[in-house]
Amino acid sequence: DGGITQSPKYLFRKEGQNVTLSCEQNLNHDAMYWYRQDPGQGLRLIYYSQIVNDFQKGDIAEGYSVSREKKESFPLTVTSAQKNPTAFYLCASSIWGRAHQPQHFGDGTRLSIL
Amino acid sequence: QKEVEQNSGPLSVPEGAIASLNCTYSDRGSQSFFWYRQYSGKSPELIMSIYSNGDKEDGRFTAQLNKASQYVSLLIRDSQPSDSATYLCAVTDGSRLTFGEGTQLTVNP
Repeated sequence: DGGITQSPKYLFRKEGQNVTLSCEQNLNHDAMYWYRQDPGQGLRLIYYSQIVNDFQKGDIAEGYSVSREKKESFPLTVTSAQKNPTAFYLCASSIWGRAHQPQHFGDGTRLSIL
Repeated sequence: QKEVEQNSGPLSVPEGAIASLNCTYSDRGSQSFFWYRQYSGKSPELIMSIYSNGDKEDGRFTAQLNKASQYVSLLIRDSQPSDSATYLCAVTDGSRLTFGEGTQLTVNP
C-alpha cells in the first residue's frame, strides 16, 4: 500500500530538548513538505524539499531543521529554539515539476510540551 | 504575502441541504486549486481539484472556479452528517500550496 507514514503519533518534549519527527513515503514522490497546524487554524509551511540534498524554508522555519538524505525520508527536528512547539505536525508529498499535482498527507504527529 | 481567505464559519446546514463553501485568493498567478476535508483530529484528505474556469462535478461535490474574480467555491449537495468537518481551500502557483484557515461545516440530522 502506497502512502506517507509519520511517527510517532504523539510526542512530548521537555524543556531544552530537541525532538525529531519522522516522515517516510513510498509513493516515489520527489517533493516533500512539513506543515504546522495550531487549533482552529490552517496549515503553515515550515520547510519543503523538491529533490534529495536540497530544501527550502517555508513561512515559519525558525526553530526547526530538516534533512533530505533519501528520496523517501524527510525528518523534521524541532529544536529548543522553538519556544512554542505544541501543535499538530503534518508531512505531505507530491510529484514535482508537473502541473496540477496535489499534495497528499500523512496522519500527523501531535507534539506537546511536558 | 500570498493570501487565501475562506468564508468565516462555522457553517451549519440541515441534512439534505446544499452547503456552500467559498474561497478567494490574492495571487493572479495561481494555477491549481484544491479542496481538502479535515475531520477533527485527523489529517487533511483531498476531495476536489480544479484548474480551469467553470464547474467540476464529482458525485455530490461541485467545485467552481472564476479566475477573473479570483474565487473558488465548493458545493456539497444532499449534505450528510458525515460531511461535518473542516474544509480547507488550497491554492498553488506551481511552487507551493497556500492554505486558507478553513471553514467548519456541521450538518444537522
